Amino acid sequence: DVKVTQSSRYLVKRTGEKVFLECVQDMDHENMFWYRQDPGLGLRLIYFSYDVKMKEKGDIPEGYSVSREKKERFSLILESASTNQTSMYLCASSPPMRVGKFYNEQFFGPGTRLTVL
Amino acid sequence: AQRVTQPEKLLSVFKGAPVELKCNYSYSGSPELFWYVQYSRQRLQLLLRHISRESIKGFTADLNKGETSFHLKKPFAQEEDSAMYYCALSGLRGKSTFGDGTTLTVKP
Repeated sequence: DVKVTQSSRYLVKRTGEKVFLECVQDMDHENMFWYRQDPGLGLRLIYFSYDVKMKEKGDIPEGYSVSREKKERFSLILESASTNQTSMYLCASSPPMRVGKFYNEQFFGPGTRLTVL
Repeated sequence: AQRVTQPEKLLSVFKGAPVELKCNYSYSGSPELFWYVQYSRQRLQLLLRHISRESIKGFTADLNKGETSFHLKKPFAQEEDSAMYYCALSGLRGKSTFGDGTTLTVKP
């Protein structure tokens, strides 16, 4: 089974702090994703990475950055946390599209509930 | 641009009643569509994918390209089906777009 783990289930930080959220997957997946999940807004993609050191902005990248130095690890960084970044953060991974393979489901971590005071 | 719309935020049915969760999409290419489910205090997980044409936990979903829909259906809802359901469309490099989600409550 694919295992996606996130460093913390709950995190409380203060406004202005630099925050690191870590995600690790053990299935050698090339693609990794960071989402935030808010009631009524669904899952919104912050950033994704399709290879080591490669990243692309998602739909809501403002206020966030990411780091992917190793294939199995994808970090989300809040440079200066603000109260409107209080949310549930989900990490996911998926294998890449390959010729003859038609689907690429995502495997999710348990989530980190971040509260910024 | 790819877009997924789930028109119902909340859906409530009685146990044993049929249930349909609606999903409409917008995509210029050939879509790959999924339904994900999140039970209380569990992680988000895949329920089913359109390419497999399978039935999982009694749920089915048919891709209708003419209506650009991928509605999730179950003929007889069970209490354990109560959860949050997300429709998702997969595009380039596996980047997925998710709908806003529908919270299904099955009442006894």
